[in-house]
Amino acid sequence: ETGVTQTPRHLVMGMTNKKSLKCEQHLGHNAMYWYKQSAKKPLELMFVYNFKEQTENNSVPSRFSPECPNSSHLFLHLHTLQPEDSALYLCASSQGPGSAGGHNEQFFGPGTRLTVL
Amino acid sequence: AQKVTQAQTEISVVEKEDVTLDCVYETRDTTYYLFWYKQPPSGELVFLIRRNSFDEQNEISGRYSWNFQKSTSSFNFTITASQVVDSAVYFCALSEYSGGSNYKLTFGKGTLLTVNP
Repeated sequence: ETGVTQTPRHLVMGMTNKKSLKCEQHLGHNAMYWYKQSAKKPLELMFVYNFKEQTENNSVPSRFSPECPNSSHLFLHLHTLQPEDSALYLCASSQGPGSAGGHNEQFFGPGTRLTVL
Repeated sequence: AQKVTQAQTEISVVEKEDVTLDCVYETRDTTYYLFWYKQPPSGELVFLIRRNSFDEQNEISGRYSWNFQKSTSSFNFTITASQVVDSAVYFCALSEYSGGSNYKLTFGKGTLLTVNP
């Protein structure tokens, strides 16, 4: 596997279910991100992890719970979601401060298309 | 606050036409980076280019070219001799230093480009 992978690619869940999204990066990066992409809206940054530590929580509801056990893996645990949470959830990774002083390009996974019924 | 505006929501062209995608940004930072990403129907965002605020030279990569004009806060993207495979949503993004060791991207809403045969 190369790049950034995400599983599952598609997920349908009820509002009372608990599920998890998984992201894995094979690029040796030390920062990982969760984004939400809804129809007609810009990409919304949800969480940022640097060296396994959460460094940004963009006012995300507590029904979304991230977990980063190591620099290569990132999870998004979901529980009691609402229909408006249906969206494409994208994971990305980037290298720590380098030639661009931290403004490094992010590499994205293919996303998980989530539908909440 | 940083802001990225992509005024063109959708553009439709015929194959072999040239097309320019507009991007205008706002920032108070003196050092910043601009990016373009492509999102084909598969969903994965593909990195195209990164440009820093001190380098206003235009860049050409094959059929792609970018015009960075600091005076007008614009970073436009031109595809020459468009092809059907260029059909995608294109996002412009601005990198922001958000404190500590954190950097985050602010994305525009994207421009859907459709290239018809």
